[in-house]
Amino acid sequence: NAGVTQTPKFRVLKTGQSMTLLCAQDMNHEYMYWYRQDPGMGLRLIHYSVGEGTTAKGEVPDGYNVSRLKKQNFLLGLESAAPSQTSVYFCASIRQGSASPLHFGNGTRLTVT
Amino acid sequence: KQEVTQIPAALSVPEGENLVLNCSFTDSAIYNLQWFRQDPGKGLTSLLLIQSSQREQTSGRLNASLDKSSGRSTLYIAASQPGDSATYLCAVREDAGGTSYGKLTFGQGTILTVHP
Repeated sequence: NAGVTQTPKFRVLKTGQSMTLLCAQDMNHEYMYWYRQDPGMGLRLIHYSVGEGTTAKGEVPDGYNVSRLKKQNFLLGLESAAPSQTSVYFCASIRQGSASPLHFGNGTRLTVT
Repeated sequence: KQEVTQIPAALSVPEGENLVLNCSFTDSAIYNLQWFRQDPGKGLTSLLLIQSSQREQTSGRLNASLDKSSGRSTLYIAASQPGDSATYLCAVREDAGGTSYGKLTFGQGTILTVHP
């Protein structure tokens, strides 16, 4: 199994450009999450999904949109990128149940100039 | 609001030493606690998960304990090796009525360096 796969790995955007980050998991997990990781701020939840067709806001949702049209995919969109969105973005997924660990992708490093 | 604190922020030890990483949380109504390892430029890898009803979990040279009432968890690493060098993060999942929907709050991490 590939686990959680994120594409792209790196991206540089200019202010105002848009892009979509793709997260795919092959473990049939119900829940999926998007986090951003910044120095001194730790990991912060952007949006999450508890199932196909459902999404919800996390701690820092402004400037981002998400969609989960298929159970295995969770997309994170930036409609108009800002320098404050320069960060490392991580996708994670988990199977429902108390003993289930969270699985992370390897991250997307995004720079907005 | 749940707050998770990890002490120390950084730790440097010689190879072979036993060490303890600390994680404290402010709200004891948790569903589970998870310890992760993060290598530079990589995602987080799950090391151990302790359910709220458990006191400890072990995997190889790693042992994690949980004291819910005092809001503390420790990660014990025995006989440390240079390959253990990484950032270690703990994360607490809140109890949302007995399901796993609860929010996950991460600590800032402890940067561990094990030198030969």
